[in-house]
Amino acid sequence: GDSVTQMEGPVTLSEEAFLTINCTYTATGYPSLFWYVQYPGEGLQLLLKATKADDKGSNKGFEATYRKETTSFHLEKGSVQVSDSAVYFCALSDRATNKLIFGTGTLLAVQP
Amino acid sequence: EAQVTQNPRYLITVTGKKLTVTCSQNMNHEYMSWYRQDPGLGLRQIYYSMNVEVTDKGDVPEGYKVSRKEKRNFPLILESPSPNQTSLYFCASSHPSRGGLEQFFGPGTRLTVL
Repeated sequence: GDSVTQMEGPVTLSEEAFLTINCTYTATGYPSLFWYVQYPGEGLQLLLKATKADDKGSNKGFEATYRKETTSFHLEKGSVQVSDSAVYFCALSDRATNKLIFGTGTLLAVQP
Repeated sequence: EAQVTQNPRYLITVTGKKLTVTCSQNMNHEYMSWYRQDPGLGLRQIYYSMNVEVTDKGDVPEGYKVSRKEKRNFPLILESPSPNQTSLYFCASSHPSRGGLEQFFGPGTRLTVL
């Protein structure tokens, strides 16, 4: 079945460092891909999305490109802030059922 | 304000005592879903509903029931909770467009079954 694999955390960075969180997927067909963020004590919020190959999603300085050839959707940010500390989930959407299939999440801790 | 609400936010109960977690959305979304979040496993879908009176099992439906009598509400029912249902639960909703659009999540319900 469809699945998402993302790098394990925690990831600890200093403020203004470059961030990459790897995400690869296995799916039949052409899923939509998402990054969700979960701040402490809160629900999940959509960070960015891409619906077809070569699409680049971007929001709040974060970017991810839908790479069909490598089945990847890596999250990047050029300069992280303390306020980016959160858990990040990569997910794909099954087009038939609208179900989101999540990776296990990556905890990011940014230190001042 | 567009939102998904869940109640209660925190619940401690004992094995076998029936409970209901409510979920309500004010965005007129047809699609609603329940997920549970466990450490090291991410989020897994329990049940989903494509529309009123239309529900189906997700990946981990055992021990749960749902109903969809109205568009805005999608309660999760645990008829006889067990300790392995201790988890963080999220309700989500979205427009019925097939898979491309954002799902909106509630704030979560942390359930502990003793």
